[in-house]
Amino acid sequence: AQRVTQPEKLLSVFKGAPVELKCNYSYSGSPELFWYVQYSRQRLQLLLRHISRESIKGFTADLNKGETSFHLKKPFAQEEDSAMYYCALNLLQGGSEKLVFGKGTKLTVNP
Amino acid sequence: DAGITQSPRHKVTETGTPVTLRCHQTENHRYMYWYRQDPGHGLRLIHYSYGVKDTDKGEVSDGYSVSRSKTEDFLLTLESATSSQTSVYFCAIKGRVRHEQFFGPGTRLTVL
Repeated sequence: AQRVTQPEKLLSVFKGAPVELKCNYSYSGSPELFWYVQYSRQRLQLLLRHISRESIKGFTADLNKGETSFHLKKPFAQEEDSAMYYCALNLLQGGSEKLVFGKGTKLTVNP
Repeated sequence: DAGITQSPRHKVTETGTPVTLRCHQTENHRYMYWYRQDPGHGLRLIHYSYGVKDTDKGEVSDGYSVSRSKTEDFLLTLESATSSQTSVYFCAIKGRVRHEQFFGPGTRLTVL
């Protein structure tokens, strides 16, 4: 079955510390993965897509097909990074497309 | 914000009453989605649409129906609201070039 697992519900770090939010997936096809961020009481925003291999707001994520992981990393966390983070997998089924989301990790960056 | 709006933004209703939430987009996207967001469950897909009058169920479709009579509007209806449907509901569209989705601002629904 296709699924996305984010093992940590909560993650707390201090400002300036490195942060890693874990994401593992299960998918029989070639995966297409995303990270979304949701700041307090706002809409979800796309943070990263693995295809682009970009760095947004200092965050990076590398797809590791061997470990079926797509962990999100930032070397120096900032207080404004405090938010909910969701990993998502794009599913192609019978000509339709939909995203499967993990349950999310709430990141708190303490001063 | 990819031209996505949702209405109403907040609603309080009573158990057993029908409720309709509206998602409106201005950029003629083909795919539209309805999710609910609950603590500990993340986002779960309720229904989605891949064109006018073309819809399909997601993982938590029981108790919900949808309609899409024109490209820009995707309606989510709770035929008889229950307290378990208290949630934040998000609409999304799929971008044309890549496969990411863009989300609306959400509707906070409380069923008493």
